[in-house]
Amino acid sequence: EVQLVESGGGLVQPGGSLRLSCAASGFIFSNYNMIWVRQAPGKGLEWVSHISSTGRDIYYADSVKGRFTISRDNAKNSLYLQLNSLRAEDTAVYFCATGKIPGPSDYWGQGTLVTVSS
Amino acid sequence: SYVLTQPPSVSVAPGETASITCGGNNIRSKSVHWYQQKPGQAPVLVMYYDSDRPSGIPERFSGSKSGNTATLTISRVEAGDEADYYCQVWDSNSEHYVFGTGTKVTVL
Repeated sequence: EVQLVESGGGLVQPGGSLRLSCAASGFIFSNYNMIWVRQAPGKGLEWVSHISSTGRDIYYADSVKGRFTISRDNAKNSLYLQLNSLRAEDTAVYFCATGKIPGPSDYWGQGTLVTVSS
Repeated sequence: SYVLTQPPSVSVAPGETASITCGGNNIRSKSVHWYQQKPGQAPVLVMYYDSDRPSGIPERFSGSKSGNTATLTISRVEAGDEADYYCQVWDSNSEHYVFGTGTKVTVL
């Protein structure tokens, strides 16, 4: 059974940092591109970042470029998102998901909530 | 930046047909994928590459594309279809994934 489990969310002050993790199981993680998608409370889905299966190709949404860093460790079947210089508008549930270009995201985690507030 | 526009809401009676549109410039040249999201849950893929249905998704769900609009159609709507629906594409110009604005389907 495919599983993606996010962790690392929590309450952080504006300007602070957080590192999100996504643990993958049930599929060959190293064969899959991965993405992060977020959803602010009561709002729609917003793509955040993409990383290719080898980590060579990385893309970011304009809203997070320069502040967030995506990475992966294929030996640990894990995906990461480093969030720096956090703003109130970064408050959201962050989902990890498999990603293809230009294909769909077949598998999604349940999400982890990041709250940026003083 | 590339924009995908969906109607905010669609209301449909049980047993009727719901059509959810997704408009975007030159969308005919892009592959469109659709997700269903119920409250408090992760999105679930219900249609990919415009009109392919993942295993486990009922045949009542179908997808199409014409002109600058992609459409997700749900036939014989059931109460369990009530959810938010999002379209998605990969925009090669910006190297960004783009989600539509989302449509809330209400079953009357």
